[in-house]
Amino acid sequence: EADIYQTPRYLVIGTGKKITLECSQTMGHDKMYWYQQDPGMELHLIHYSYGVNSTEKGDLSSESTVSRIRTEHFPLTLESARPSHTSQYLCASSDRRAEQYFGPGTRLTVT
Amino acid sequence: AQSVTQLDSHVSVSEGTPVLLRCNYSSSYSPSLFWYVQHPNKGLQLLLKYTSAATLVKGINGFEAEFKKSETSFHLTKPSAHMSDAAEYFCVVSDVGTYKYIFGTGTRLKVLA
Repeated sequence: EADIYQTPRYLVIGTGKKITLECSQTMGHDKMYWYQQDPGMELHLIHYSYGVNSTEKGDLSSESTVSRIRTEHFPLTLESARPSHTSQYLCASSDRRAEQYFGPGTRLTVT
Repeated sequence: AQSVTQLDSHVSVSEGTPVLLRCNYSSSYSPSLFWYVQHPNKGLQLLLKYTSAATLVKGINGFEAEFKKSETSFHLTKPSAHMSDAAEYFCVVSDVGTYKYIFGTGTRLKVLA
């Protein structure tokens, strides 16, 4: 079992609210990732980080932002949630062998 | 450019019969290839990976995959399906040394009693 955690697991929130999805890993991995996954669909990379103070946008355009102040912590923030943000968000980290370890995901519903 | 194609969106097998989930890839360099499994409301779990060592890769839960460069394929197999294998399976390609992992669209495996 990988030591990567996401909270909350489920979140239902109204339009316009600010939300932060938490992701933490205890494996000391430098690389971390956020993916967005709609039901029954593939994963799309929205943010990644090579290490502390390093963040980049992924292939899928997203209105979310991320920060990496500590190696183990990679939170994702939406300043103003909209129904189009409804999706599952998966956090992952990877080691030097290029294996990605995934958290359980946060299922976000914006009403 | 990298890409990965999972040839079947749904596969149904009877319990105890073989499983074959097909994946073709495209990569400019020497790829790393992975298969992940996702059970309902769970994160993804690594089944196995290929990183330029042996072409036949053995993974967890009795799964294995064979890297065939000439066919640009990395099909996932299991000799005998179990009910607990019912899940979504993703084939993933990554060029060595890059951050990018390209996911296939997934294959939903259904196991019939």
